[in-house]
Amino acid sequence: RKEVEQDPGPFNVPEGATVAFNCTYSNSASQSFFWYRQDCRKEPKLLMSVYSSGNEDGRFTAQLNRASQYISLLIRDSKLSDSATYLCVLTGGGNKLTFGTGTQLKVEL
Amino acid sequence: GAGVSQSPSNKVTEKGKDVELRCDPISGHTALYWYRQSLGQGLEFLIYFQGNSAPDKSGLPSDRFSAERTGGSVSTLTIQRTQQEDSAVYLCASSLVPPPETQYFGPGTRLLVL
Repeated sequence: RKEVEQDPGPFNVPEGATVAFNCTYSNSASQSFFWYRQDCRKEPKLLMSVYSSGNEDGRFTAQLNRASQYISLLIRDSKLSDSATYLCVLTGGGNKLTFGTGTQLKVEL
Repeated sequence: GAGVSQSPSNKVTEKGKDVELRCDPISGHTALYWYRQSLGQGLEFLIYFQGNSAPDKSGLPSDRFSAERTGGSVSTLTIQRTQQEDSAVYLCASSLVPPPETQYFGPGTRLLVL
């Protein structure tokens, strides 16, 4: 089983829609969780950290479910500019981050 | 301030040649990471430097890969006797302190081995 699993998509949604992605992880010892965003042919950039209590940043809401070992990202009122690949990231063992392969989102007119 | 920079941005080489990829981290960042991203794949951890500690080389795929970090700043990733499967985007990232602190990525070096 992969350490981090994501549905690759693509998720094609109309502008203004609400879309949610899930990510499951296998290492129950993982401590820290993040969502990164990667635009086509660009480097990944941190979108938001994910806290146990859940956290919100504008149109974006992230949640962590330790019992079921998954994290989620909810995007409300999708914009064309939200089109990107969303990477689920977590700390596994040691000091390195483990990246999922990403979920591709395409927001259309 | 300046972000992470990498050079070259693109590199085309012939199979069997050696290549050197350079990373300039954000000034003051003690942690530096190298990752590889192949087409349609996730980021694959290669190596991690933290201050003066011995690097974590656990992600290097073979002994053809090596990296060094001089003076706690600039890092060079060297691939010897390149193979076609080495073709990928090589990304460098730095952070102020070790994870889970935010990592800032450079634009990457796109390596194509013919």
